[in-house]
Amino acid sequence: ILNVEQSPQSLHVQEGDSTNFTCSFPSSNFYALHWYRWETAKSPEALFVMTLNGDEKKKGRISATLNTKEGYSYLYIKGSQPEDSATYLCASLDNAGNMLTFGGGTRLMVKP
Amino acid sequence: NAGVTQTPKFRILKIGQSMTLQCTQDMNHNYMYWYRQDPGMGLKLIYYSVGAGITDKGEVPNGYNVSRSTTEDFPLRLELAAPSQTSVYFCASSYPRTGGRNQPQHFGDGTRLSIL
Repeated sequence: ILNVEQSPQSLHVQEGDSTNFTCSFPSSNFYALHWYRWETAKSPEALFVMTLNGDEKKKGRISATLNTKEGYSYLYIKGSQPEDSATYLCASLDNAGNMLTFGGGTRLMVKP
Repeated sequence: NAGVTQTPKFRILKIGQSMTLQCTQDMNHNYMYWYRQDPGMGLKLIYYSVGAGITDKGEVPNGYNVSRSTTEDFPLRLELAAPSQTSVYFCASSYPRTGGRNQPQHFGDGTRLSIL
């Protein structure tokens, strides 16, 4: 079982602020890193799947970077909006490739 | 397409009762998973399956059983419900037959289970 850590656990920002949070994962035997957005009372929805060191992906105001050598990924949200309020989960897949190990999530609350 | 469908959405059980949580997907995915959501702990994997007839334990399998007789269905069984199994349960699927391993998981809407 991999050890995937996310920080911070929770974050309060004002509408319009840009923010970022961190996911750290074991760099050995790395295969892929997933990011999911999870709104309260809904199911997690995939944002990104990243595999290559130095990879950067973007979806609207949300982007993510990946460093597989040191074992971390950053998720950035530019100009946060109240509808961005959710828990953001990262999960790591190793070379055995069958199980995702999830971090505890970062809960983002954006105040209007 | 309906995606991943879980039933029931809510259930209250008494200690010692048994029940089956149903999960079905219509995306022709090979892999299916059962997770439980523990407060502040994210998602913990209970069991997973890489195809019909094949299942394997995840992080927290004790107290649960699964079967995978078809590609579409992956039911989760609680034999003797205990208060520690009060949680929200999510089923997910991934890896379409024509796709690679770099595919996201698709989640159902969850089953909220309380054991009293």
